[in-house]
Amino acid sequence: DAGVIQSPRHEVTEMGQEVTLRCKPISGHNSLFWYRQTMMRGLELLIYFNNNVPIDDSGMPEDRFSAKMPNASFSTLKIQPSEPRDSAVYFCASRRQGASTDTQYFGPGTRLTVL
Amino acid sequence: GESVGLHLPTLSVQEGDNSIINCAYSNSASDYFIWYKQESGKGPQFIIDIRSNMDKRQGQRVTVLLNKTVKHLSLQIAATQPGDSAVYFCAERSQGAGGTSYGKLTFGQGTILTVHP
Repeated sequence: DAGVIQSPRHEVTEMGQEVTLRCKPISGHNSLFWYRQTMMRGLELLIYFNNNVPIDDSGMPEDRFSAKMPNASFSTLKIQPSEPRDSAVYFCASRRQGASTDTQYFGPGTRLTVL
Repeated sequence: GESVGLHLPTLSVQEGDNSIINCAYSNSASDYFIWYKQESGKGPQFIIDIRSNMDKRQGQRVTVLLNKTVKHLSLQIAATQPGDSAVYFCAERSQGAGGTSYGKLTFGQGTILTVHP
């Protein structure tokens, strides 16, 4: 099993630029989560999809952030325009809802630096 | 200006000692708890989980204890090894409306475990 795949692993961009982060969940998993991790705030849930449908986006910081899940094997998190305070590590996690455990499996993360 | 970050609890142990990492959770309605391990530069990795109808669960070298009365969770690592050095997070899941399983996890701040050879 390849696990959750995220790309890119590192992204450095300038303020005002558009940033797109990508995630491929584990095959067969039907729930997908986007998290942000910073030293200031720890690990925060941004948005949660179930069967490709956004269920809870209350953690999305503001309108500059958007997420899509066009199919069961792909999701994107877009920041437009990016700001220095968006610098963080962004994690994608997936889960198979209805399984005996409720474990979320995390990808390796994308480290975003906005200059 | 001065930046203020999370001040994570730290635990330093010698190789071979047993480690106990504690976590206080907030929601008495939480029905499921997970411990994750995060090594530097990596994503959180599942260690062990426990449901609220249990008070103890054992895995390989790890034991999770749940005390719902005081909303406390602990992770015990036996014979700690240098490879166990990482940040450890507890996470709780709260039930959704109507008792459904929402699946949303709330993570603690984490504890830094350092194992000295």
